[in-house]
Amino acid sequence: DQQVKQNSPSLSVQEGRISILNCDYTNSMFDYFLWYKKYPAEGPTFLISISSIKDKNEDGRFTVFLNKSAKHLSLHIVPSQPGDSAVYFCAASGDNNNDMRFGAGTRLTVKP
Amino acid sequence: DGGITQSPKYLFRKEGQNVTLSCEQNLNHDAMYWYRQDPGQGLRLIYYSQIVNDFQKGDIAEGYSVSREKKESFPLTVTSAQKNPTAFYLCASRLAGGTGELFFGEGSRLTVL
Repeated sequence: DQQVKQNSPSLSVQEGRISILNCDYTNSMFDYFLWYKKYPAEGPTFLISISSIKDKNEDGRFTVFLNKSAKHLSLHIVPSQPGDSAVYFCAASGDNNNDMRFGAGTRLTVKP
Repeated sequence: DGGITQSPKYLFRKEGQNVTLSCEQNLNHDAMYWYRQDPGQGLRLIYYSQIVNDFQKGDIAEGYSVSREKKESFPLTVTSAQKNPTAFYLCASRLAGGTGELFFGEGSRLTVL
């Protein structure tokens, strides 16, 4: 039972345009959400997070939006750069436990 | 420098053999995790531990075992009961309390011959 879903396995955008990566979750107990970036044969690196008490968090070119009623979050990257090309994972955890669940990932390709 | 160290980076195993993957952290984190990555399936949680001498099964614990005798160490044993052990294994840690990001190691790739 996949509690965190990323339904788009890949996304390709032009340099300078906006990249939008989407994530849905099913567990209403999740209240902390994160995005990670991963290169092949390396561990994921943390990108940005959002608590359920917020609906938006921004850090430079990266913004995460949370829609709790729809159980949906998205990561916006603007402007996109070729160095952003990687696999992006959405993750979620609950307040009362320490497990963290990940989506299947979306491979972003930013073309020069 | 603080961080998480996984070893070995690459490991080959014959069918029927147990193998143990090492994970050490010097971040003073309470919680530690093991994930498995397969193509197209993202990261799946195998086991996690919130404190020393305690651990919980994740979504795919069958065929794996762990121990948490020290705060810094969380080794994972892939037993012969694991039917499809070839994968990329990732160890992670974070402070206890439910928030805060996971810090990951570089991963260990296990190949069963």
